[in-house]
Amino acid sequence: GEDVEQSLFLSVREGDSSVINCTYTDSSSTYLYWYKQEPGAGLQLLTYIFSNMDMKQDQRLTVLLNKKDKHLSLRIADTQTGDSAIYFCAGGETDSWGKLQFGAGTQVVVTP
Amino acid sequence: DTEVTQTPKHLVMGMTNKKSLKCEQHMGHRAMYWYKQKAKKPPELMFVYSYEKLSINESVPSRFSPECPNSSLLNLHLHALQPEDSALYLCASSPLANIGNQPQHFGDGTRLSIL
Repeated sequence: GEDVEQSLFLSVREGDSSVINCTYTDSSSTYLYWYKQEPGAGLQLLTYIFSNMDMKQDQRLTVLLNKKDKHLSLRIADTQTGDSAIYFCAGGETDSWGKLQFGAGTQVVVTP
Repeated sequence: DTEVTQTPKHLVMGMTNKKSLKCEQHMGHRAMYWYKQKAKKPPELMFVYSYEKLSINESVPSRFSPECPNSSLLNLHLHALQPEDSALYLCASSPLANIGNQPQHFGDGTRLSIL
């Protein structure tokens, strides 16, 4: 199965860029995902990247995928206080019947 | 706003009670999921339904009983729960479950507390 690792904490000043990193072990994932969870809420699907892509950009979000190093990152440009949350990366094997492997989550704290 | 709706948002129950959690989606998705999430931890998969049939049961105790009455609804029936079952229960849906892994959309969850 997939093992997914993330750094646990990131502090960033408002207006700066945030970069959240994730490494995974299984290269057969069809999609790799980034979810955001605010306190008391469910998981919000932020963006995802198909495993044959290197980069995907969606407004302030940029996802980079380095398949050789099995490294996934999420960059948030112009970070705002509303970006404070826990961010989970997740992936799954191609025939996994929906079984995603989540990283432990990165707590992002945005300071004024 | 989430397109997966869960009710109730909060539930407090005793260990002898019977209650149900409900989940609804109208995106035409044919796969639905139940997850359990403890504080500051990632979600843990409990059940997967594909085309209204139970596809995966991750060795969940029988005091949790899932039900999928139709393609839009997913229930989780609770009976004789333990204090360690207190958690956030999340429902998710995706277009399909059996072809690759596809984006799962989550509800806001039910915060369950067992007294």
